[in-house]
Formats: sequence, structure tokens, C-alpha cells
Amino acid sequence: GAVVSQHPSWVICKSGTSVKIECRSLDFQATTMFWYRQFPKQSLMLMATSNEGSKATYEQGVEKDKFLINHASLTLSTLTVTSAHPEDSSFYICSATNPQGYEQYFGPGTRLTVT
Amino acid sequence: GEDVEQSLFLSVREGDSSVINCTYTDSSSTYLYWYKQEPGAGLQLLTYIFSNMDMKQDQRLTVLLNKKDKHLSLRIADTQTGDSAIYFCAESMSGGYNKLIFGAGTRLAVHP
Repeated sequence: GAVVSQHPSWVICKSGTSVKIECRSLDFQATTMFWYRQFPKQSLMLMATSNEGSKATYEQGVEKDKFLINHASLTLSTLTVTSAHPEDSSFYICSATNPQGYEQYFGPGTRLTVT
Repeated sequence: GEDVEQSLFLSVREGDSSVINCTYTDSSSTYLYWYKQEPGAGLQLLTYIFSNMDMKQDQRLTVLLNKKDKHLSLRIADTQTGDSAIYFCAESMSGGYNKLIFGAGTRLAVHP
């Protein structure tokens, strides 16, 4: 149980285009999902906290207009990178909290490359 | 502010025990976690410990928590080559929503 999936697993896009990444909790309802960014050989940096039915809470320094987060259902959150630039190339990982709230399960990640 | 620190690299021989250490700063952390990340993959939750516990054992994994010193360790018994990965320590922040703060990760290399 407690499986989180992400789609796509990798994507290459041209500079200036937008990319949507999906995060799904497959076998549990996730009221809270998180989006992280990971640069090579570095730790995870929390970008935002996403709660179903409400606006996401962004961490300091993360542009909410650039990284659009939608958490429309208890099993799906999406991250849209708008007007992507090469510096947005990174590994994006989502996670979801189990209903009890203290176990956080991570998706396999999405590698975004902006050319 | 919140901070989690780990040593960056550990090399052990196959069959030996590995001990990965972590220090954290937020004394109000409710849960502390260990995650494993293999190359190009997401994070796998290995184990976690509630802040009022001193030790937790789960098969080959033993977690020790010294709350006074804000020190957390993960011991892997009989380390195997499949244990080679990056191990992240994380603390949950008080205030709800289980927001996690991660350490930089410890790269464990297991050699024959």
C-alpha cells in the first residue's frame, strides 16, 4: 500500500513552453501533498504544500506564478512549470501524507530538461 | 532556523554494520525519518521514530534517538550491496501538515 505515482517520469521541453507534472496517490486519499525539487547530488528542497480544495502554500523564494499547483481531488495534485527556462531543469518529486498524517510517501520523481 | 545535518559519505564492507548519523535543531520535532534514494528514483520511506521513543528496530534497521543531543542514527546490520544508496534523515516540523526538513543525504557505498 501507500503508492504514489508521478507522470511523466521524464520530459524534455523547449524554453518558453509549459509543462504539467501529475502526482497521484494510488491506494489512499491524500489530503496533503508536497512538491520538492532536487538538484544533482543535493537534498530535496520543499517548494510548496498542497491541500485538497485550497490554494497551495509556497515556500519562501518559490514563485507561485511560475510553479502552478492544483490539488483538485484527494488523489491528484499537479505542478505546472510555466514558461520554462533551462534553469528550471531539475528533478521534481512529489509526496503525499497518509490519512494519519505522519507517514509521507514519495513519488518516483520527474526529470525535467528545458532546452 | 531549522537545520538537519548529515555526514556526506560512508563506505563499508559487505556484511559489516553501517551507522549513519544525523543531527537536527528543532527540539519540537514530532517524528524523525530515514529515507533511501537509489539513483534516478524517488525516496523510499525506510523507517521513522516518534520523538518520545529512544529506539526502534525493524529487521536489519535500528534507529536510535538521543533527544537531549538532538542526534539520530540509523544502523543497518549485515550491509549488502543492495543497500548502496543515499540515505536522507528528515525531521517533521511542528505546526501541522507534516512538513519535512531534509538533511543533505549520506551516500553509502558497500564494497566486497
